[in-house]
Amino acid sequence: GESVGLHLPTLSVQEGDNSIINCAYSNSASDYFIWYKQESGKGPQFIIDIRSNMDKRQGQRVTVLLNKTVKHLSLQIAATQPGDSAVYFCAEIPSNSGYALNFGKGTSLLVTP
Amino acid sequence: DTAVSQTPKYLVTQMGNDKSIKCEQNLGHDTMYWYKQDSKKFLKIMFSYNNKELIINETVPNRFSPKSPDKAHLNLHINSLELGDSAVYFCASSQVLQGEEAFFGQGTRLTVV
Repeated sequence: GESVGLHLPTLSVQEGDNSIINCAYSNSASDYFIWYKQESGKGPQFIIDIRSNMDKRQGQRVTVLLNKTVKHLSLQIAATQPGDSAVYFCAEIPSNSGYALNFGKGTSLLVTP
Repeated sequence: DTAVSQTPKYLVTQMGNDKSIKCEQNLGHDTMYWYKQDSKKFLKIMFSYNNKELIINETVPNRFSPKSPDKAHLNLHINSLELGDSAVYFCASSQVLQGEEAFFGQGTRLTVV
């Protein structure tokens, strides 16, 4: 379960609304970015990825936007559903990381009916 | 079939003990990882193995020793457990040459008392 004093940024949205989760990354040498979703008690699950030569990529109900100028990544979820409630992480793979993911802080998304 | 499986899911042990966490992947991936998630949900890479060879060893105490008997397994052995080792440990795997999406196990919640 959640720890007391958890300081994750939290986004609360109503079911059916669109959600936007933001992420700032630090390494300008990163060329691959991924969004993961983590439900309570489970491991992170891949949602969508984007390479540095793109600025937008769409999936089913999700869109990732990449702004390399300001090193910003966002995840848009259309028509948010209760099953979307989870912690969302952005991750980057710096070119010298040996393929390991460098995770951002995480944002908790709470979808209310 | 579970793609990345870890055992045990929960581990409660006393300070000073030695314990192991096992990980197996049936995806045929060539790279495996161990990540640590602290109480604030922050995920950080610990180790990365590619074809049974260590390629990343972040600043982790040498009480932590990964062992890869073959490409499908990456176990984590921890000596002389300390209170600060309490966390959730995730194993992951990816096929680096075909894209860097990593698949995660369900996690092992380690509690040191």
